[in-house]
Amino acid sequence: GENVEQHPSTLSVQEGDSAVIKCTYSDSASNYFPWYKQELGKRPQLIIDIRSNVGEKKDQRIAVTLNKTAKHFSLHITETQPEDSAVYFCAVNSGGSNYKLTFGKGTLLTVNP
Amino acid sequence: SQTIHQWPATLVQPVGSPLSLECTVEGTSNPNLYWYRQAAGRGLQLLFYSVGIGQISSEVPQNLSASRPQDRQFILSSKKLLLSDSGFYLCAWSRLAGGSEQYFGPGTRLTVT
Repeated sequence: GENVEQHPSTLSVQEGDSAVIKCTYSDSASNYFPWYKQELGKRPQLIIDIRSNVGEKKDQRIAVTLNKTAKHFSLHITETQPEDSAVYFCAVNSGGSNYKLTFGKGTLLTVNP
Repeated sequence: SQTIHQWPATLVQPVGSPLSLECTVEGTSNPNLYWYRQAAGRGLQLLFYSVGIGQISSEVPQNLSASRPQDRQFILSSKKLLLSDSGFYLCAWSRLAGGSEQYFGPGTRLTVT
């Protein structure tokens, strides 16, 4: 089955700095790559996603880049703010299916004021 | 717009007792439905998914079961809870066709004592 590795497991940055979280995956048939943000005690929220026909997607301060050849994709957060502090999960659709996602183990991002 | 509900929000149950968690989705038809468990605040483990009424796929063998008695209702059950069943249970839905985006419910925090 699909194997998703997420790094780092924890990340601490100063407010205003950038944060980058990287995920690698194993199944070359995968074509959908979402990122979720989960605040403490809350549900995961979809914050951005990318499909394999594009290499980069931006939404204000967040962006996702995809390298299908190397089978990795990354979340970039610029001008970080304390409210960005949360656990971030990457995910990959399994075998190109439309209904199953395999999640990374998560990255705890702390933004220090 | 679509809304997903879960109840109860929190639950404390003794070892060996039964369990029933319910999830319902509003505002869409024929959704794919999912049950995840999240232990220790990290990592999303897919337990079950369903692509239609009465169609349940199990991802991890365990003492839990799932049922989908109606199109937009998904139930997670156990006949006898174990201590290891404690965790945050999340229901999610996605559109049947055309997209892999999954949207999570608010979750049920289960503590088995």
